[in-house]
Amino acid sequence: ETGVTQTPRHLVMGMTNKKSLKCEQHLGHNAMYWYKQSAKKPLELMFVYSLEERVENNSVPSRFSPECPNSSHLFLHLHTLQPEDSALYLCASSQFPGPDEQYFGPGTRLTVT
Amino acid sequence: SQQGEEDPQALSIQEGENATMNCSYKTSINNLQWYRQNSGRGLVHLILIRSNEREKHSGRLRVTLDTSKKSSSLLITASRAADTASYFCATAPPTGANNLFFGTGTRLTVIP
Repeated sequence: ETGVTQTPRHLVMGMTNKKSLKCEQHLGHNAMYWYKQSAKKPLELMFVYSLEERVENNSVPSRFSPECPNSSHLFLHLHTLQPEDSALYLCASSQFPGPDEQYFGPGTRLTVT
Repeated sequence: SQQGEEDPQALSIQEGENATMNCSYKTSINNLQWYRQNSGRGLVHLILIRSNEREKHSGRLRVTLDTSKKSSSLLITASRAADTASYFCATAPPTGANNLFFGTGTRLTVIP
């Protein structure tokens, strides 16, 4: 798990708060991903970045705003979230976007109150 | 849907027994991958099998792929309590997609 790190590991926020999730990969990969994992649902892909450029945005509400300042760092900025946004948010990286194996961080457990 | 679908949803076995999990999918694939997730943690890549391969081994893991039936199976032999986790299959489309498609997983419990 040290290849991809995520902070914080746990986050509780009110619906009016603004917070950010951070992901860092130490693998020299070119693609990074944000996923949302809710109970009893498949992993939901939120965003894909390739070499700092967003290449996929799966109809995610605008209250989630990604940022990729360089190929090693990925952020997810959160504002005015809803209780149904409570979930485990996973960051992943791969050599290139597409069929390669992905390396996941430990996730941020987000609770929106 | 391009997502894989695992079966069964939950599986409970005794330590030492073999565990078999299945994955079915609906579209053509470049490859199929299996991942493991311990409770509340990230996913860990276990094994990747390409569409032109039929079987692959890695330690106590054996994966098969039948592209005519659009299905795959993951066999864990001589299970251990530490194998308790959720197991997910993920499909990679042949072209044009930037991501993998994951199923909902099989929850495996290995009883010591």
